[in-house]
Formats: sequence, C-alpha cells, structure tokens
Amino acid sequence: NAGVMQNPRHLVRRRGQEARLRCSPMKGHSHVYWYRQLPEEGLKFMVYLQKENIIDESGMPKERFSAEFPKEGPSILRIQQVVRGDSAAYFCASSLGSYNEQFFGPGTRLTVL
Amino acid sequence: DQQVKQNSPSLSVQEGRISILNCDYTNSMFDYFLWYKKYPAEGPTFLISISSIKDKNEDGRFTVFLNKSAKHLSLHIVPSQPGDSAVYFCAASAESGAQKLVFGQGTRLTINP
Repeated sequence: NAGVMQNPRHLVRRRGQEARLRCSPMKGHSHVYWYRQLPEEGLKFMVYLQKENIIDESGMPKERFSAEFPKEGPSILRIQQVVRGDSAAYFCASSLGSYNEQFFGPGTRLTVL
Repeated sequence: DQQVKQNSPSLSVQEGRISILNCDYTNSMFDYFLWYKKYPAEGPTFLISISSIKDKNEDGRFTVFLNKSAKHLSLHIVPSQPGDSAVYFCAASAESGAQKLVFGQGTRLTINP
C-alpha cells in the first residue's frame, strides 16, 4: 500500500510564474490536508479538503493560492504569480476520516528565484 | 501567535539514556496532542498521541505525558538509540483529532554513541 505521493519533489520557479503541486493520498483516503513549512519553523496548516469540497481553508493566504481535490485525480495546490516568500516545503497529508491519523507525504520543496 | 511552543531548538543525549522533549500550548480548546518525527527531506511520521482525557500514553520506548493544568506535554524516549536522531514536532488539535493540526517549531534531537 503506497503512502502519500507528492510531485514534484523539487520545483524551481521565477517570480511571477505559477506553481502547481500535486498530492495523491493513500489508497482509500478521501481527506487531504496541505501544510507549509518555512525554514526553521514548524508546519502551518493551509487547507483541508474532501473529494470535490473545501472544508477548511482558514490557513490559506487570501490571494494567489488555491486548492482543489477533484473526484478523479490528485489534489492540486496552485500558487499564482509566485514571490520569493513562497519558497518553502509544502506537505500534503491524507486521512481515512476527519478523526483519523494524518499520514504525510515527502513534501515538495518550492524555490522561487 | 504561537499556540504550540517547543522552546528547545535542539537536544543532545547519550545513546542508552532517556530523551525528554517538551512542548507547551496556550489554547485550552486543544484536546488531542501528537508527536511526529521528521528526517531530512522526508515528511513527518506519526509517533504517538494522547487525548486530553488521559495523562499518559505509552508505546514501546515512547511515552507521552500530558499535564493539562500546566498546558504542558512531554515525550520520553528510553532507551535512546542513534536512529532516534531527527527533528521532533509536537502538534495539537481541537475536536479530538479532527482536521487541522497546529505544530510547534520542532526540536532537533541528536543521539550520541
């Protein structure tokens, strides 16, 4: 049973470009969470999604960031017009249900030049 | 507003001795607490958790203690092994484990042979 998959593992973008980060949850998991880790800090919650629904986006920046988890395919975290401050590790986690343990993927390291 | 704090950025322990990692929280709505372990370039891995209705939970070499009145929890690892060298994150959530986790900044544990 494969774990949570994230790709790409490393992503380099220039300022103003778009970044798309993908997350495939563990088999059978329909709950996905995105977290961001800035250097030397802990992980910060961004958004919680179930299939086709955003449940909690209280940690998402108001502009440029969006997330989706379609009926088919991976969850996508999209960052438009990236800035240097977006450089971070972005982790996806999945769970069986709202009250179950979250399993984390290996992360995508975004570098904005 | 750092609701979960790990005040020791690093800790060094001799192999075979006890490692004690500490965590403080401020939000009295938190009722579920977790410890994650993280190696470089990997996602966090769940270690152990505790509900606020308990004051201790044990799993092999790992024991978590919760002191609700002091809003403090600790992770004890005994005996410490070289493979325990990693960054340890304390996390908390409200509503018994649901949805978003609030992480501390992490403590880097080094086990010396």
